[in-house]
Amino acid sequence: QVQLVQSGAEVKKPGASLNVSCRASGYAFSGYSINWVRQAPGQGLEWMGWISAYNGYTSYAQKFQGRVTMTTDTPTSTAYMELRGLKSDDTAKYYCARGLQYLTSGLDVWGQGTTVIVSS
Amino acid sequence: QPVLTQPPSASGTPGRRVTISCSGTSSNIGSNDVSWYQQLPGTAPKVLIYRNDHRPSGVPDRFSGSKSGISASLAISGLQSEDEADYYCAAWDDNRGSPVLGGGTKLTVL
Repeated sequence: QVQLVQSGAEVKKPGASLNVSCRASGYAFSGYSINWVRQAPGQGLEWMGWISAYNGYTSYAQKFQGRVTMTTDTPTSTAYMELRGLKSDDTAKYYCARGLQYLTSGLDVWGQGTTVIVSS
Repeated sequence: QPVLTQPPSASGTPGRRVTISCSGTSSNIGSNDVSWYQQLPGTAPKVLIYRNDHRPSGVPDRFSGSKSGISASLAISGLQSEDEADYYCAAWDDNRGSPVLGGGTKLTVL
């Protein structure tokens, strides 16, 4: 079945870097983009950016520009999100979600989420 | 600050109909499709509606979406206790070249 499986929970110190992976299966990886969305405890969803798995084109939310890098590895159908210079308010659950440009089919498949705690 | 505006909360009694609104601008809802997501407690969001009014297979027809101008709505009829969740709207934004999200609406079934 179509699914996205994310890497496990992480505990990081302020200033460290975070790497989250999102492995796709059950569909043609290159035919979709991967979006990254995070959710701080008790808060709403926050879109971070997306990457085209077809050509690697990226678009990042202004808030994260300069601090985030999204990549894909087509042979393993895996997307990666790196967030640098972690702060305590980066504590959140991070989701990857499949989508098409212009969101014509919505974000139709979501990973299970990766819990990240940033604490000294 | 979310780009799309949703009421923070909504409520209804079992069996009734409730609607959740989502307001945007001409660069997002006004010119692109809207999707809606349900997030049950402790779980990942799930798409309920895409392309304004299309339901993925498996989503009950109690859930319906509509769009008019720069606003969209999600309607839930025959409200059930298991519908208690957070609901989010989303749309592509032409000015940003990216998706934008609503702040979410917490639905309580009384």
